Amino acid sequence: EAQVTQNPRYLITVTGKKLTVTCSQNMNHEYMSWYRQDPGLGLRQIYYSMNVEVTDKGDVPEGYKVSRKEKRNFPLILESPSPNQTSLYFCASSLSSSLAVAGEQYFGPGTRLTVT
Amino acid sequence: GQQLNQSPQSMFIQEGEDVSMNCTSSSIFNTWLWYKQDPGEGPVLLIALYKAGELTSNGRLTAQFGITRKDSFLNISASIPSDVGIYFCAGQDQGAQKLVFGQGTRLTINP
Repeated sequence: EAQVTQNPRYLITVTGKKLTVTCSQNMNHEYMSWYRQDPGLGLRQIYYSMNVEVTDKGDVPEGYKVSRKEKRNFPLILESPSPNQTSLYFCASSLSSSLAVAGEQYFGPGTRLTVT
Repeated sequence: GQQLNQSPQSMFIQEGEDVSMNCTSSSIFNTWLWYKQDPGEGPVLLIALYKAGELTSNGRLTAQFGITRKDSFLNISASIPSDVGIYFCAGQDQGAQKLVFGQGTRLTINP
């Protein structure tokens, strides 16, 4: 089944404790992206990747890192999480960036992160 | 970053009623998209619009790309319980190769 998977789905952690949220897609998509969803703000892009070893900042990259060593995986790293990073995080993938902005973007189920 | 202005933020309706929501932008968009997010899931694309004035239907859903290219609306006719969720508009700013999302409209339906 074609899908985007994220792990973990739920995470409660403390300020400053490094964490990684994994994202994997099995559709051989070139384009992958991370978003955070906050009440009243909708979805905001954190980082995106056009292909392996190519990553770029989205609208809200501060406090986050990503890597794209393989096509299928795009982990999101929080080196020193803070409470303002408490949010619902979505990974998404698309065959290409042009198709992504055309709407053909597949979202994972989300990771709800709480930083205390 | 730029955001779209989506309204209303929430709606409480009776089953069977029609629903209307809209999005506006201060800049011109090349593409307008409407997504639905079910509880505990990621957003799923409902309708994509690529031309100013375009009116597109998907079952009971109808969406239009505004003539000015700065707005779009989504209508749901004869709502049913499974329509509950958060609806997001999104668009591609003509100057950027990325999507901008609205704040979402949370739809609640009373049976």
